[in-house]
Amino acid sequence: GAVVSQHPSWVICKSGTSVKIECRSLDFQATTMFWYRQFPKQSLMLMATSNEGSKATYEQGVEKDKFLINHASLTLSTLTVTSAHPEDSSFYICSAISGGGRRPYSNQPQHFGDGTRLSIL
Amino acid sequence: QKEVEQDPGPLSVPEGAIVSLNCTYSNSAFQYFMWYRQYSRKGPELLMYTYSSGNKEDGRFTAQVDKSSKYISLFIRDSQPSDSATYLCAMSGGIQGAQKLVFGQGTRLTINP
Repeated sequence: GAVVSQHPSWVICKSGTSVKIECRSLDFQATTMFWYRQFPKQSLMLMATSNEGSKATYEQGVEKDKFLINHASLTLSTLTVTSAHPEDSSFYICSAISGGGRRPYSNQPQHFGDGTRLSIL
Repeated sequence: QKEVEQDPGPLSVPEGAIVSLNCTYSNSAFQYFMWYRQYSRKGPELLMYTYSSGNKEDGRFTAQVDKSSKYISLFIRDSQPSDSATYLCAMSGGIQGAQKLVFGQGTRLTINP
């Protein structure tokens, strides 16, 4: 159980284009999803917290107009990198948690997708 | 000082050895402690999840939490080459809430056949 699927797994695109990454919880309803960024040989850095039906909460230093997050259903959250540039190239990973009606203090662990490797030329 | 400290390694041990991985932290409000395993170019996979102090065992894996020392450990018994991966500790709780994780840097582990 607790499977999170992320798509695509790898994308290469030209500078200036927008890229959409999908994160789906396959066997549970995810009231909260998280988006992380990971640079080579470094740990995960939280970008934003996404709650179903409401606006995402972005971490300090993350541009909300550049990284658009939509969590329109209990099983799907999307991250759109707008007007991507080479410095946006990274490994983006989502995670999901089932709120169980006890948010924001749910004690359920986060389950991660397999990540999306984004390369901007 | 980082909120969570973890030796990045690399750590290399022979097959069958007992592996000890650990993290220290500074925020006494942390209550939830996790260990994740991450293979190259993959997302983290949850291995162990514990609340507050104590031990938890799952197969070859044992997690220990000592809140008085702000120290957590993961032990791997009878290590296998398939255990070669990066191991991330993570924790949450307190003012940031139970959901927001703070990760260690990760320890790269290699098990040699």
